[in-house]
Amino acid sequence: NAGVMQNPRHLVRRRGQEARLRCSPMKGHSHVYWYRQLPEEGLKFMVYLQKENIIDESGMPKERFSAEFPKEGPSILRIQQVVRGDSAAYFCASSPPNRISGANVLTFGAGSRLTVL
Amino acid sequence: GESVGLHLPTLSVQEGDNSIINCAYSNSASDYFIWYKQESGKGPQFIIDIRSNMDKRQGQRVTVLLNKTVKHLSLQIAATQPGDSAVYFCAENRANTGNQFYFGTGTSLTVIP
Repeated sequence: NAGVMQNPRHLVRRRGQEARLRCSPMKGHSHVYWYRQLPEEGLKFMVYLQKENIIDESGMPKERFSAEFPKEGPSILRIQQVVRGDSAAYFCASSPPNRISGANVLTFGAGSRLTVL
Repeated sequence: GESVGLHLPTLSVQEGDNSIINCAYSNSASDYFIWYKQESGKGPQFIIDIRSNMDKRQGQRVTVLLNKTVKHLSLQIAATQPGDSAVYFCAENRANTGNQFYFGTGTSLTVIP
């Protein structure tokens, strides 16, 4: 079981370019979550997805950011027209489907570190 | 506002001593909590969890205590080792919000050899 796989691990973009971050969940996990982490800070929730469905995007900035989790392939977090303030580590996590008894543990990937020049 | 916060942003302990990391939460609807450990340059790693129907849970060298009355939980690490040096986060799940977790700022633990 390869765990949650994220790529690229490091990405450098110039202001105005687009950044695409990919996440493949653990085998058997159908839910994907994206979090952003600024240096010396905690993880801020961005979006929660199932295959072909966004469940909660309340933490996602209204402009320039989008996320998808297609039927086939990894989940993608897309940032258009990046600005310096987008520089951060972006973590993906996955979990099995919800249980009636309550939430499931999130398993995290190693993160993608975006640097905007 | 509602938040998951930590009392101490940094903590230094001698190797072999016990460590206690605290976390306060403000949402009374929170009913499931997880402690994560994050080493430098890595993703958060699950340590231990606890549901609101419990007040204590033990793992290997770690214990989580939950006090719902004052909305406080703590992570106790016994016989702290250099490999325990990391940032520790508590994360809360609020009932009826699905599988969404909210993270605190984190506490940086440094173990002094």
